[in-house]
Amino acid sequence: DAKTTQPNSMESNEEEPVHLPCNHSTISGTDYIHWYRQLPSQGPEYVIHGLTSNVNNRMASLAIAEDRKSSTLILHRATLRDAAVYYCILSSGSRLTFGEGTQLTVNP
Amino acid sequence: GAVVSQHPSRVICKSGTSVKIECRSLDFQATTMFWYRQFPKQSLMLMATSNEGSKATYEQGVEKDKFLINHASLTLSTLTVTSAHPEDSSFYICSATPLAGGPGSYNEQFFGPGTRLTVL
Repeated sequence: DAKTTQPNSMESNEEEPVHLPCNHSTISGTDYIHWYRQLPSQGPEYVIHGLTSNVNNRMASLAIAEDRKSSTLILHRATLRDAAVYYCILSSGSRLTFGEGTQLTVNP
Repeated sequence: GAVVSQHPSRVICKSGTSVKIECRSLDFQATTMFWYRQFPKQSLMLMATSNEGSKATYEQGVEKDKFLINHASLTLSTLTVTSAHPEDSSFYICSATPLAGGPGSYNEQFFGPGTRLTVL
C-alpha cells in the first residue's frame, strides 16, 4: 500500500475548525483515501473516505487535491470528544495499513 | 448498528499459557475479519486477515502457529495466543467488514473495543 505522511500532532481550540493534512504522493489510481480515528484505549472508528471528489458526512469533510497527492480532513467545529489520533490510510481493497497518525489535542 | 464486540476486554495470564480472544459482529454478517496488535504509543499493526471458512492470511513476520485464528461463522472470529510470553503483552483489536449490502460504506471496517493482554 502507498505511504501517507501526516504531522505527528496538532492542536485546536474547542468550537473552532480543524484541518488535518495528509500527503500521499505515491497514491495509485485505485486507492481510496480513508480516515479513521482512535480515542485512547479504544478501537479505531471510521470517519470518512473518498476517491476523487470532496466528501461530506455528519462527522467531517474530506477535501481531496485535484492531483490526489494530498487530502485534508476537516472537522468543522472541534469538541473535546474529537481529541484522538487521526489516521489517513490509502487502500484499494479492504486491507488497511495504519501509519503513525496525527494526535489531535483540543483545548477548552 | 454495525457493532463489533470483543471478549474479554482485559486478560492477565501467566507465561506459557494460551489465551483466546473472541471477536463478534453483533448486528451484521462479516465477509472479512482482521486482527491487529498495538503496543503502547504505537500504531496498529495488522496481524492477519480472516475469511469465514478459510485459513487466515498472516502478515509477514507474524507466526501463524503462535497466533491461531479461527473464523467459524460470518459473525465470529477467534484469536488464540499460544504459549504466551511477556513480549506478547499488547492491545489486540479486531475489525470486521460487512457483506455487500450491509451497513457502512465501501470496505469500511468496524472495529472492536480491543482486548488488553498482560502476560506475567
